[in-house]
Amino acid sequence: QSALTQPASVSGSPGQSITISCTGTSSDVGSYNLVSWYQQYPGKAPKLMISEGSKGPSGVSNRFSGSKSGNTASLTISGLQAEDEAHYYCCSYAGSSTYVFGTGTKVTVL
Amino acid sequence: QVQLVESGGGVVQPGRSLRLSCAASGFTFSSYAMHWVRQAPGKGLEWVAVISYDGSKEYYADSVKGRFTISRDNSKNTLYLQTNSLRVEDTAVYYCARSILWFRDANFDYWGQGTLVTVSS
Repeated sequence: QSALTQPASVSGSPGQSITISCTGTSSDVGSYNLVSWYQQYPGKAPKLMISEGSKGPSGVSNRFSGSKSGNTASLTISGLQAEDEAHYYCCSYAGSSTYVFGTGTKVTVL
Repeated sequence: QVQLVESGGGVVQPGRSLRLSCAASGFTFSSYAMHWVRQAPGKGLEWVAVISYDGSKEYYADSVKGRFTISRDNSKNTLYLQTNSLRVEDTAVYYCARSILWFRDANFDYWGQGTLVTVSS
């Protein structure tokens, strides 16, 4: 149950698009199309932004989208806004009813 | 509206025990699987455990297996985490979160605000 690998930080200017990667193995990300993404502000609880790899729950901006290729999932934020500055975590089903989170990525809006 | 409120955190010595609670409201608690997820200070999220909607199935991260026990009381709309043999590395904010299924469902759509457990001598 090793954590999924994410870049420690990603930055972009307002209006730009950024992509955060989430690399796992053939036992988790690669085996299931079951990756979710969470946004977390300092001192706050995480918030579900992308479910089942690509879909955002009701109420989440469609500027957020997800995808997956092989053992790597990705979160893309388009039209970057100041309010998007936060930490982002991926999470994958890892088999046998267990789950694994990514190491987390700090998004900075320049 | 959906609410999850954790309680029971505090300062505890290594080797001791603590029971965390998560009170649920605003939804049919007995229809959802429930998880515990923790976050050490300044660190990332770590999945801890999940329990099925009826409490019949429990699964744990290797890091807590044999020391922690997840349980629920659907008559009280409450989730629990019994933490035994606590270690310094168990220091974290513990969140409860819900999903529809306990397997093949990484969509934790509601979270509590968390309760801090500090393990220190």
